[in-house]
Amino acid sequence: KAGVTQTPRYLIKTRGQQVTLSCSPISGHRSVSWYQQTPGQGLQFLFEYFSETQRNKGNFPGRFSGRQFSNSRSEMNVSTLELGDSALYLCASSLAAPPTDTQYFGPGTRLTVL
Amino acid sequence: AQSVAQPEDQVNVAEGNPLTVKCTYSVSGNPYLFWYVQYPNRGLQFLLKYITGDNLVKGSYGFEAEFNKSQTSFHLKKPSALVSDSALYFCAVRSNNAGNMLTFGGGTRLMVKP
Repeated sequence: KAGVTQTPRYLIKTRGQQVTLSCSPISGHRSVSWYQQTPGQGLQFLFEYFSETQRNKGNFPGRFSGRQFSNSRSEMNVSTLELGDSALYLCASSLAAPPTDTQYFGPGTRLTVL
Repeated sequence: AQSVAQPEDQVNVAEGNPLTVKCTYSVSGNPYLFWYVQYPNRGLQFLLKYITGDNLVKGSYGFEAEFNKSQTSFHLKKPSALVSDSALYFCAVRSNNAGNMLTFGGGTRLMVKP
């Protein structure tokens, strides 16, 4: 079974631009979560989607948004990019939503903001 | 609120020796604990989890972890380290009170020397 895939793997943008990252979960998985990883802040939860509904949201500004489609694929969008948005963005999927489910992570999208 | 502490930024061990990577947590409610490993330029790879039952959990690649409720710890162990185990290790916690959000520790870099 194919793992979680994320596209693109690498992205370079300039301040003020916007960006859209894509995540395809493991087949059959309905929950998708997004995390930001930076050297300074570590791994931080962005949001979680289940059956096209946002269930949880982390402590990030409204410039960060996401959505999930009926096939469970998910996208996250960052508008008005800032230098501090440079990070590895990780997507994780799980079968359903209970906290006992294992989240499986994709390889990440490395975003560099210049 | 839930939190995870990994008190050691780096652990050095000689190949063939046992290794321990420490993790303590704080949650309200029942804790669900996870260990992940990250290799350079890769996403997080699931190693093992504790949900309930036996306090000693066995996972991938010979790793195991011991859940200790009184000490609120979930240390990762391996009887005999390999050079290929060198990577960044993350402990994470989830609970019924925080939905599907994983809260991660800061990570511990494991260096196994030949």
